[in-house]
Formats: sequence, C-alpha cells, structure tokens
Amino acid sequence: QVQLVESGGGVVQPGRSLRLSCAASGFTFNDYGMNWVRQPPGKGLEWVALISYHDDDQSYQFYGDSVRGRFTISRDNNNNRLFLQMNSLRVDDTAMYYCAKGSGGGSGYLPDFWGQGTLVAVSS
Amino acid sequence: QSVLTQPPSASGTPGQSVTISCSGGNANIPDNYVYWYKQVPGTAPQLLIYNSNKRPSGVPDRFSGSKSGTSASLAISGVRSEDEAIYYCGVWDDSLRGSVFGGGTKLTVL
Repeated sequence: QVQLVESGGGVVQPGRSLRLSCAASGFTFNDYGMNWVRQPPGKGLEWVALISYHDDDQSYQFYGDSVRGRFTISRDNNNNRLFLQMNSLRVDDTAMYYCAKGSGGGSGYLPDFWGQGTLVAVSS
Repeated sequence: QSVLTQPPSASGTPGQSVTISCSGGNANIPDNYVYWYKQVPGTAPQLLIYNSNKRPSGVPDRFSGSKSGTSASLAISGVRSEDEAIYYCGVWDDSLRGSVFGGGTKLTVL
C-alpha cells in the first residue's frame, strides 16, 4: 500500500533554512507527480509546490505565490524520495507540511494520497 | 482569500442529504478536474472524489461529485455521524499555474 513518511520538521528562527524529506513506497514513484501541501494551525489547506513527471523523463516544478523564490522542490527517483528546501523562512510559514502523491504524472492532477505530515514552527 | 469559495459550515441530521458547494472561476473549474477531500481534525486529508465525479475504492457511494461551469458540488446522501469533518475542494488553476483549495466546509451532523 502507498506510504509517505515525512521528516525534517522542527523549530527554526525567522530567516533560517530547513529541508523536509518524504520517503515514498508502495507505488512506482517516478510515474507520479509529487506535492507539498501545508496547513497552518487551525486553518485550511494551502498548496505549496508540485514536481511533475513526464514521459520524456523531464520533471517540472510549480510553486505557490507565497513560497516562489524561497522554496525549492526536488525528487530523487532512484531512492523514492521527495524534498522541500525552505529558505528565508518566515513566521507565517509555520504549518504542518504534508507530502502528497499526485493522482497522475503531470500538472492538473491533485493529490490522491497524503502522508501524516511534519510540523514546521518558525519562531524567534 | 481562497480562489475557491466554500461555505464555512453545513449541517444535517442523520439520514438527510447535504450538499457542499465550491465556486471558482474560468481559469480553474471549467477545464480541470475537481477533487474533494475529507479531513478529521488532527489527521491528514483523505481523497473522496477525483476527476470531478469519481470515487476511489473504499469511499461509499453516498458521496458524489459534480460540476457545472465555474462551480462544483459534493453531495452526501444519508449523512452519518462519522461524516462529521471538514471538507475541501481542490482544482488546478491554469492562470496561477498551481493547485488551489477552497477554504473548507465544516460539516456538523446534528
């Protein structure tokens, strides 16, 4: 069965960096786009980033407006891992960060399975 | 302010039918698949509807999805106490070149 296990969350000061990781299993990892979605405490879901997969072996990255230029999504298809490098962190980046498998390879396919999340708290 | 607009709350008594709406715009709902998720507080979201009207295996047929123009709906027939949760719609937005979610609708079973 599909398993997504996030790690790397924690408490960090504003302006610092953090790298999240997601270990995936139970499906053919390089056939699917992978997402990061976050949820601030007590609030709704906010899509963060997508790294897609295409038949030409290319992957493309898409970002939400609030993180573009600060966050970078990447994937290691050999080890079935997804990453999110978060730089210049701000207090309003505080949230539960979910790794989420896309329901298809490209853009337009939203998540069909979610990990349990890793908590990031940005505070001085 | 979410790109997709959902009512903040909905309610029903056991056995009733409940519908949750999701209003978007020309860049998202008309030409893209709508997804619906259920989230019990403290747990990860789970997929209820994909490709606007399809149910993953294991989701009861009490749940159905539809869309028309720039709006989509999730219908729950014969609502049960275990359906109490927050429901989110989501879709790809061609203008933003990203996924967007509604603000969520809290369903209360009275």
